[in-house]
Amino acid sequence: GESVGLHLPTLSVQEGDNSIINCAYSNSASDYFIWYKQESGKGPQFIIDIRSNMDKRQGQRVTVLLNKTVKHLSLQIAATQPGDSAVYFCAESTSSGGSYIPTFGRGTSLIVHP
Amino acid sequence: NAGVTQTPKFRILKIGQSMTLQCTQDMNHNYMYWYRQDPGMGLKLIYYSVGAGITDKGEVPNGYNVSRSTTEDFPLRLELAAPSQTSVYFCASSYRTGKGNTIYFGEGSWLTVV
Repeated sequence: GESVGLHLPTLSVQEGDNSIINCAYSNSASDYFIWYKQESGKGPQFIIDIRSNMDKRQGQRVTVLLNKTVKHLSLQIAATQPGDSAVYFCAESTSSGGSYIPTFGRGTSLIVHP
Repeated sequence: NAGVTQTPKFRILKIGQSMTLQCTQDMNHNYMYWYRQDPGMGLKLIYYSVGAGITDKGEVPNGYNVSRSTTEDFPLRLELAAPSQTSVYFCASSYRTGKGNTIYFGEGSWLTVV
C-alpha cells in the first residue's frame, strides 16, 4: 500500500550544526506535504508545508525541499538549537476528493547536543 | 486562544470498561480528527469528520466510535477497552482549503488499559 516513511529514526547533531531530516513518500498522487514537530509529552505542532508545484520553501531557520522525481522530502534546520530536540514527522496528503486527509510517517527523533 | 482541548489528560481503564475522550475546538474548523500514537510510532487515523453530522473511518477504527453533533465537539468513544487500545490519543482540527489543510493538534490523552 501507499506509505510515508523516514530513512533515519534518530539523528544526533551538535548545537549550531545544520540538521537534515529526510522523508520518502510513495503515493505519486500526493500534492501537499507538511512537517510537524512533536516535543515530549505534547501534541505535534505545524512547522512548514509545501505544495507539489514547488520544490523549495523557506521559513524561519527551516527549509523544506521536495523532489517529486524520487518522491523525497527533506527538512533542513539551520543552526540547530537544544530547543529543536523533538520528534519530527512528515505528512503527505492528496487533494483527491478535496479531503486532504494526511498520512503521517513514523517520525525522526532529533537530539541536539550542547 | 484555547485551540483544541482534550480531556482527560490521563486515564487508566480496566479491560472491558467504556469511556469517552472529549475534544472541543474553538477555531470554527470544519474538519476534526482522532489519531492514536503508539510508542515510537507515527500517528494513525482512527476517525475523522468533515463537518457536523458527518463522520468517516480512518485507518484503525475498530473498537471506537465517534459522533459530531456540533462543529466544536468530536468525542471518541471506547466501548469495550482492550490492552491493545493502550496508546496516546490526539484530537485535531483544521480548515479545508484549496491549498491543503494545516492540522492543529490537542495536547494528547494518555490511556492505559489494564
